[in-house]
Amino acid sequence: AQSVTQLGSHVSVSEGALVLLRCNYSSSVPPYLFWYVQYPNQGLQLLLKYTSAATLVKGINGFEAEFKKSETSFHLTKPSAHMSDAAEYFCAVTPNNDYKLSFGAGTTVTVRA
Amino acid sequence: GAGVSQTPSNKVTEKGKYVELRCDPISGHTALYWYRQSLGQGPEFLIYFQGTGAADDSGLPNDRFFAVRPEGSVSTLKIQRTERGDSAVYLCASSLNQGSYNEQFFGPGTRLTVL
Repeated sequence: AQSVTQLGSHVSVSEGALVLLRCNYSSSVPPYLFWYVQYPNQGLQLLLKYTSAATLVKGINGFEAEFKKSETSFHLTKPSAHMSDAAEYFCAVTPNNDYKLSFGAGTTVTVRA
Repeated sequence: GAGVSQTPSNKVTEKGKYVELRCDPISGHTALYWYRQSLGQGPEFLIYFQGTGAADDSGLPNDRFFAVRPEGSVSTLKIQRTERGDSAVYLCASSLNQGSYNEQFFGPGTRLTVL
């Protein structure tokens, strides 16, 4: 079985500051890992995904995430927050090439001017 | 091009009533998924279609829930005898093919409220 834990349901950062969203997973098989973003009244949008290639994954909008097997983590970062980054972020896991995504509870990011 | 669309965007019903939620996937996408997102939680898998057939309905909570995709495109999620605990946002996603290599594109969801 696969599961995801996102540490911190709310994160508040200043514009221009580092954004760090934490995700830890458990998986009985090598996982594929994803970060999705959800803006108000919109569908989930894929930010990036790890599929057992490079451990540092770059995504859209300046986000990146690093897969650390020893720590079972897949934390999401962005060096400099922008007001438009205010949204809810979800980490998800699935077994190798499976279709069934298991999501974390989400982290809401607010950006202070 | 058009993304995944879902109708209605909001549905309010009374306990015990029947509801239908519709999903229009991206044209040409053979795989379609339904998820349910309860307040304060991440989406939870309900059912997956490959073409017209339900390949995996293991996430449906009970037999009050049923989904169809008769022509391999539009899908309808049907909930009988609704209960207050069914209140949630129901998300639909589609992908070109099945498997996590294929990005799932999500619709905006239908917010269901059962009074």
